Amino acid sequence: EAGVVQSPRYKIIEKKQPVAFWCNPISGHNTLYWYLQNLGQGPELLIRYENEEAVDDSQLPKDRFSAERLKGVDSTLKIQPAELGDSAVYLCASSTWGNEQFFGPGTRLTVL
Amino acid sequence: RKEVEQDPGPFNVPEGATVAFNCTYSNSASQSFFWYRQDCRKEPKLLMSVYSSGNEDGRFTAQLNRASQYISLLIRDSKLSDSATYLCVVNMGDMRFGAGTRLTVKP
Repeated sequence: EAGVVQSPRYKIIEKKQPVAFWCNPISGHNTLYWYLQNLGQGPELLIRYENEEAVDDSQLPKDRFSAERLKGVDSTLKIQPAELGDSAVYLCASSTWGNEQFFGPGTRLTVL
Repeated sequence: RKEVEQDPGPFNVPEGATVAFNCTYSNSASQSFFWYRQDCRKEPKLLMSVYSSGNEDGRFTAQLNRASQYISLLIRDSKLSDSATYLCVVNMGDMRFGAGTRLTVKP
């Protein structure tokens, strides 16, 4: 069975440019998470979806970040405009409710 | 206070050593607990869940003390391949991750 798929794996952009990340969760997993991970830190939740509904987006910086999960399957996370401090690894994970999360390989974003 | 706090590490131990990691959490209503392992530049992967009665998986033993809001992970007979960062994860409605404790096992 395929795992969580993320693309791109790496992205380098200049500040103030927009960027988008894509995630396809494991089939049948209704819960999808986006995390941000800085070097030497654990993942920090940005947003959690139950099917197509965002049930927790309290940590998402809504002035520049947006996310969507149309049809309750794959999801896109967007940053516009990107800032230098947004450089990090963006991880997507999926699970059935309350159970083990499976992570994708992440997208490593560098903002210059 | 952080929601999930771990030993800052790093831990550098010889092969065969026993090493213990500690984790405390702030929300007494937390329902489930996990240890994840993350290799360098890789994604986190579940190592083991932590049950109230304590549980063991080979060389790994996890324990939970709800009264003290404390979780531990014990690794016996350390192998070189155990070198990684170990993340304590607490389900507080959402999964909250600790910052991780880095372990290096040396020959």
